[in-house]
Amino acid sequence: RKEVEQDPGPFNVPEGATVAFNCTYSNSASQSFFWYRQDCRKEPKLLMSVYSSGNEDGRFTAQLNRASQYISLLIRDSKLSDSATYLCVVNPTRGSARQLTFGSGTQLTVLP
Amino acid sequence: GAGVSQSPRYKVAKRGQDVALRCDPISGHVSLFWYQQALGQGPEFLTYFQNEAQLDKSGLPSDRFFAERPEGSVSTLKIQRTQQEDSAVYLCASSLAALGELFFGEGSRLTVL
Repeated sequence: RKEVEQDPGPFNVPEGATVAFNCTYSNSASQSFFWYRQDCRKEPKLLMSVYSSGNEDGRFTAQLNRASQYISLLIRDSKLSDSATYLCVVNPTRGSARQLTFGSGTQLTVLP
Repeated sequence: GAGVSQSPRYKVAKRGQDVALRCDPISGHVSLFWYQQALGQGPEFLTYFQNEAQLDKSGLPSDRFFAERPEGSVSTLKIQRTQQEDSAVYLCASSLAALGELFFGEGSRLTVL
């Protein structure tokens, strides 16, 4: 079983739609959680951290359920520019960037 | 430059050749990481440096892979006797300290024929 599992998609949604991605992780001791975005043939970039209380950044909302070892990302009012692969990332070590564990990514295409 | 710089961006090697991939981290960043990303997969951790010290190399897939950062700045990932399964994008990332956001370079895409 992979340490971080994501639905690979692809998700094809119209502009303005709301889309949700889910991710599960196997290491119950994991300490910090992130969503990264990766455009085609580009490097991953941090989208947002995920906190236990849930957090929002504009159209993006991230949720963490430690009991279920489940992370989600909700994108509201999708834009064409949101088209990318979204990587769920887990860090087993508190306060350290060492050994980030990436999921395989969920591909999103927002259609005009 | 302002970001993490990697070279070469593209490398084609014949099976059995040795390759060297270079990473210039963001100036002042203490921590440096190498990741391998196969097609359709997420990046997988290879190795981690804090300054010149290689603190973790548990992700290196075999003894054909070697990384160094002799002066605590530029790092080189060397792959000896390349195999087809080594074909991937090799991503370098740096962070200001062990804490903090990782900044990735655009990667070196290696194709082994």
